[in-house]
Amino acid sequence: IQLTQSPSSLSASVGDRVTITCRASQGISSYLAWYQQKPGKAPKLLIYAASTLQSGVPSRFSGSGSGTDFTLTISSLQPEDFATYYCQQLNSYPRTFGQGTKVEIK
Amino acid sequence: EVQLVESGGGLVQPGGSLRLSCAASGFTFSSYSMNWVRQAPGKGLEWVSYISSSSSTIYYADSVKGRFTISRDNAKNSLYLQMNSLRAEDTAVYYCATVAGDVWGQGTTVTVSS
Repeated sequence: IQLTQSPSSLSASVGDRVTITCRASQGISSYLAWYQQKPGKAPKLLIYAASTLQSGVPSRFSGSGSGTDFTLTISSLQPEDFATYYCQQLNSYPRTFGQGTKVEIK
Repeated sequence: EVQLVESGGGLVQPGGSLRLSCAASGFTFSSYSMNWVRQAPGKGLEWVSYISSSSSTIYYADSVKGRFTISRDNAKNSLYLQMNSLRAEDTAVYYCATVAGDVWGQGTTVTVSS
């Protein structure tokens, strides 16, 4: 299963609403997770089962979608949110990741 | 504290071998299936291998199949990745993680170069 994220990168300002999409090459129900990764650090789980917020993750992060089309939304971008975001399908092996979306400061 | 700590990375020549280890603490390791995930310099995340809690089910990415072997020792709360016939394209930071993705190690760096 291939995952295609868009955009590959984006520039945004603090307070902006940001949306990242992830499209699967075949249906994966709601078996999708979203991760945030900062330079030199391990990925951090944000969302699982497409829309369930991981414990401790701020509520400005939300996920939606099922089947083949998924979205990660940051409702009001904060300085600590500048990072790279990855989706990963949990439907089957190999457990593919999207290519990543880098969120940069405008 | 729930923690995964990788070790065993380093510089190795093409064709060489390395064994990575991942030590788990703070949770019942024997109940969790585990993954290895890697990240080449400046690149995205790549899933490498999976092992079930009892070691009964194992999967590999096509890129490492036949060269890498995943294993675990639940009595020692440890996960392993034996890497043979290493290639330059195996150069990456290697992470161990729970299958749910909620716990990751800090990563260990493998560099394959002559």
